[in-house]
Amino acid sequence: QGHLVESGGGLVQPGGSLRLSCEASDFIFKIYGMHWVRQAPGKGLEWVAVIWYDGTYKHYADSVKGRFTISRDNSKNMVFLDMDSLSAEDTGMYYCARAKAARDPFDIWGRGTMVTVSS
Amino acid sequence: SFDLTQPPSVSVSPGQTATITCSGRDLRGDTISWYQQKTGQSPVSVIYQDSRRPSGIPARFSGSKSGNTATLTIRGTQAVDEAAYYCQAWNNSNIWLFAGGTKLTVL
Repeated sequence: QGHLVESGGGLVQPGGSLRLSCEASDFIFKIYGMHWVRQAPGKGLEWVAVIWYDGTYKHYADSVKGRFTISRDNSKNMVFLDMDSLSAEDTGMYYCARAKAARDPFDIWGRGTMVTVSS
Repeated sequence: SFDLTQPPSVSVSPGQTATITCSGRDLRGDTISWYQQKTGQSPVSVIYQDSRRPSGIPARFSGSKSGNTATLTIRGTQAVDEAAYYCQAWNNSNIWLFAGGTKLTVL
């Protein structure tokens, strides 16, 4: 079926940086696109970024463009989200999710890792 | 960019039909997915590509789309269906947009 486990969240000061990781297991990672989705406390879901299965295409939500970078290492079954210039608006649970193609659903989600931006 | 709108809340009695709408611009060119998120859990896909149901999702869940409105229908709603439901639209601009979500209460 497949599993995703996020890590790297924590408390960071405004203006700071953080790297989130997502480790995949029990499926053929290298054939799936991977997404990051976040959820502010008590709020709805917000799509953040996508990376194609081979890493050749990346796309970001306007709210994070220029500050966040998505990458992947297919040899290690991992996807990353590097976050810079963090602000309080970036606080929330960050989920990674897989989707085979662009129009396919996010069919497996991790449990998320919490990011808190506060002084 | 564009916005998707869902009602913040929907209430239904057990055994009745729950209808959750998602509206925005003309959605005919978009691919709609629906996700269920129970409190404290990660989202789960319940409908994809407008009306297809993933394996393991009960047949009481169905999806449809017409014009600028997509609809999630839950027939014979059960207490276990109480959750937040999010619609998501994808288009050829490679934007995956979530609506604000609907809290379904079964009472």
